[in-house]
Amino acid sequence: DQQVKQNSPSLSVQEGRISILNCDYTNSMFDYFLWYKKYPAEGPTFLISISSIKDKNEDGRFTVFLNKSAKHLSLHIVPSQPGDSAVYFCAAQGRGFKTIFGAGTRLFVKA
Amino acid sequence: EPEVTQTPSHQVTQMGQEVILRCVPISNHLYFYWYRQILGQKVEFLVSFYNNEISEKSEIFDDQFSVERPDGSNFTLKIRSTKLEDSAMYFCASSTTSFGGELFFGEGSRLTVL
Repeated sequence: DQQVKQNSPSLSVQEGRISILNCDYTNSMFDYFLWYKKYPAEGPTFLISISSIKDKNEDGRFTVFLNKSAKHLSLHIVPSQPGDSAVYFCAAQGRGFKTIFGAGTRLFVKA
Repeated sequence: EPEVTQTPSHQVTQMGQEVILRCVPISNHLYFYWYRQILGQKVEFLVSFYNNEISEKSEIFDDQFSVERPDGSNFTLKIRSTKLEDSAMYFCASSTTSFGGELFFGEGSRLTVL
């Protein structure tokens, strides 16, 4: 079941620079997308979401972009901070569907 | 701030033993879920529960698994006869809606099957 794909297992970024995490999906029935952040030994915590009727949603340092035609979304973090170091999961929902998660991307923000 | 709580945080069991993982969802939430994450892998959906019944389950959620909301506050996952491959972090989550809203996760219960 690879409906939500995060092809980069890890990403390393310098503090203060932009982090871009990517996610692709295959099921065109998905129409709500979420990003979760996970620290070791903790559960995933919600970060930001976007509905398929939008192409951008911004919340402070976090912006999610959605390209529906490409079935691609990305999370931008700017400026990146060492405390952002965590695993980031992309997730997708469709009406009547369970929330499906990608494999995650581990972000390292170097001071 | 309301949160989802899970117990135990870590359980070690012998293969073939029954295990019950417990969760207290956020009180005004209506939808409840179990997910699991095998070490280093993705977070996988197991089951969703609404109105005192299973609304959806994955192919992982076979006859060895069951869920229950016995008293209106707890939400439990039972594994009847554990296998080595059941070793994982099990996350409970709850939400106010089945679509268009975030899931609130607990901190997880680590299950180790020996």
